[in-house]
Amino acid sequence: QITLKESGPTLVKPTQTLTLTCTFSGFSLSSNGVGVGWIRQPPGKALEWLALIYWDEDDRYSPSLKGRLTITKGSSENQVVLTMTNMDPVDTGTYYCAHKDESGNFDFWGQGSLVTVSS
Amino acid sequence: EIVLTQSPGTLSLSPGERATLTCRASQFVSSVYIAWYQQKRGQAPRLLIQGASTRAPGIPDRFSGSGSGTDFTLTISRLEPEDFAVYYCLRYGSSPLYTFGQGTKLEIK
Repeated sequence: QITLKESGPTLVKPTQTLTLTCTFSGFSLSSNGVGVGWIRQPPGKALEWLALIYWDEDDRYSPSLKGRLTITKGSSENQVVLTMTNMDPVDTGTYYCAHKDESGNFDFWGQGSLVTVSS
Repeated sequence: EIVLTQSPGTLSLSPGERATLTCRASQFVSSVYIAWYQQKRGQAPRLLIQGASTRAPGIPDRFSGSGSGTDFTLTISRLEPEDFAVYYCLRYGSSPLYTFGQGTKLEIK
């Protein structure tokens, strides 16, 4: 069974860097075709895709946020880390990590991690 | 950059009724790369439909997807109380890699 869970700070100050960790089980990020993505959702608003890392460590980013985002495999083989620099109050929201299957679908999601940006 | 526009923004129906939700792409999208998600309040999204028309494992058969080209539809044949939620379409492709629609809120009339 595939599970994912996000962890990180609940509160960050403007201009700080956010680091979120996705810890997963039930699959290997070394398996061909697999990936882990990050998606966020401001309160009361729509979902927004942020970044994706593939099994071969190739990565993709949302063009609107590309300069601020970095996605990497974590120190443990079952972790993926997302960093977002220069945080702003508009970045407040719930951040989800999700498993990408071989067809490109996000078929399993974490419960989400609420991040508030405020001084 | 492809934009997905969902309509209506809000749909008010009663249990037992049929719901039709639309997702329109600003450019051609292969149906292989269209998915639909359901999100209930306080929960993560759940994959309903992949490849425009294939139900994900465990999804009831009252949910169906169709469409091609630029127009895609999610239909719920007979609404159950647990179906009232927000629904998103998602396109997988390139530049950007993923695009979500803005969502349709399905509420009880």
